[in-house]
Amino acid sequence: EVHLLESGGGVVQPGGSLRLSCVASGFTFTTSSMTWVRQAPGKGLEWVSVITETAGTTKYAEPVKGRFSISRDNSKNTMYLQMTGLRVEDTAVYYCAKGGWSTPIDPWGQGTLVTVSS
Amino acid sequence: EIVLTQSPDTLSLSPGERATLSCRASQSVNTFLVWYQQKLGQPPRLLIYDASNRATGIPARFSGSGSGTDFTLTISSLEPDDFAVYYCHQRTSWPRTFGQGTKVDIK
Repeated sequence: EVHLLESGGGVVQPGGSLRLSCVASGFTFTTSSMTWVRQAPGKGLEWVSVITETAGTTKYAEPVKGRFSISRDNSKNTMYLQMTGLRVEDTAVYYCAKGGWSTPIDPWGQGTLVTVSS
Repeated sequence: EIVLTQSPDTLSLSPGERATLSCRASQSVNTFLVWYQQKLGQPPRLLIYDASNRATGIPARFSGSGSGTDFTLTISSLEPDDFAVYYCHQRTSWPRTFGQGTKVDIK
């Protein structure tokens, strides 16, 4: 069974940084692209970023381009999202998910909450 | 960026009724359209991929149709467990985008 566990969320001041992690199990991590999607409180889903299997290619949503960086360590079955220059509008639950490059995004982790507030 | 517009925003129906949800894309997504179901406090669950293919374990009462710019998710007979928010998602171009969601609630 696929299992995705996010961590690293918390409360941070505007302008601050956080690094989210997503540990994967139950599938061959090295052959799967991976995706981050976020959801602001009470709002809809917003695609954030994707990384290919070998980390050779990444894509970002315009609102996070230049501030967020996606990466992965295939030896640890772990994906990361380094977030810098955080803004109040980045407040959301951040979901890690399998796929998203050439396959549908599925399944999703339970999410980790990031709150940007002074 | 491809904008996905879902309608209606809210659909109020009774158990046993048929639900028809719409998703319209601002430009063609071919058949690379996905539907998710999300319940309160839970992550989204994949229902339909590539317009009309049911994901593993999804009941036959869920069906998807469409191509190009117009897509439909149909729930043939609503079960109590189906009252949730449904999102469409396009996976044909970057950035990937989601519709704003349709809430199916109990009438």
